[in-house]
Amino acid sequence: AQSVSQHNHHVILSEAASLELGCNYSYGGTVNLFWYVQYPGQHLQLLLKYFSGDPLVKGIKGFEAEFIKSKFSFNLRKPSVQWSDTAEYFCAVNERGNNRLAFGKGNQVVVIP
Amino acid sequence: NAGVTQTPKFRVLKTGQSMTLLCAQDMNHEYMYWYRQDPGMGLRLIHYSVGEGTTAKGEVPDGYNVSRLKKQNFLLGLESAAPSQTSVYFCASSYTRRADSYEQYFGPGTRLTVT
Repeated sequence: AQSVSQHNHHVILSEAASLELGCNYSYGGTVNLFWYVQYPGQHLQLLLKYFSGDPLVKGIKGFEAEFIKSKFSFNLRKPSVQWSDTAEYFCAVNERGNNRLAFGKGNQVVVIP
Repeated sequence: NAGVTQTPKFRVLKTGQSMTLLCAQDMNHEYMYWYRQDPGMGLRLIHYSVGEGTTAKGEVPDGYNVSRLKKQNFLLGLESAAPSQTSVYFCASSYTRRADSYEQYFGPGTRLTVT
């Protein structure tokens, strides 16, 4: 079974700082990759996704992620965070053709005004 | 278009009681899922369904049952609730626009406390 690793579960930043969240997965085959965001008290929303093509993916709210196949990684970045980016961020992976998503344990991000 | 909805939003149960959580989607999705979310554990798949009348076990199925009698509904049942089932439960659904994509759409969650 594949696994998804997210490090630094708790991240505290000041506004305007840059954010990078790491995501590594264990599966060696073709995968689909996702980042979901969960704002306080809300459900998960899709931030961005990668299926194929350009490994640099741009999502909503200024987020982007880069798929590096050789490193089995799909790291999330934002150059300048805002207070409203306070949320929990989840990386998720599924094997191509498999409907089941494997989630990482999440990164709790707190942005201080 | 309501997307994925869940009923109820909150519930408190006593140990040994039973209840059913309802998930409904109006997107004509084939696949539906039930997850539980616990602090520091991420989302763990309980059961899922790939179509009406079919269900399958996920990562943490013990203590739960599911049914998918209609395509738009996916029910999660707890027959005899235990404190370890205190959690936030999320339902999700997905479809295949392409054979290689399974983006999931999530409901708002049900916060369940078992005392």
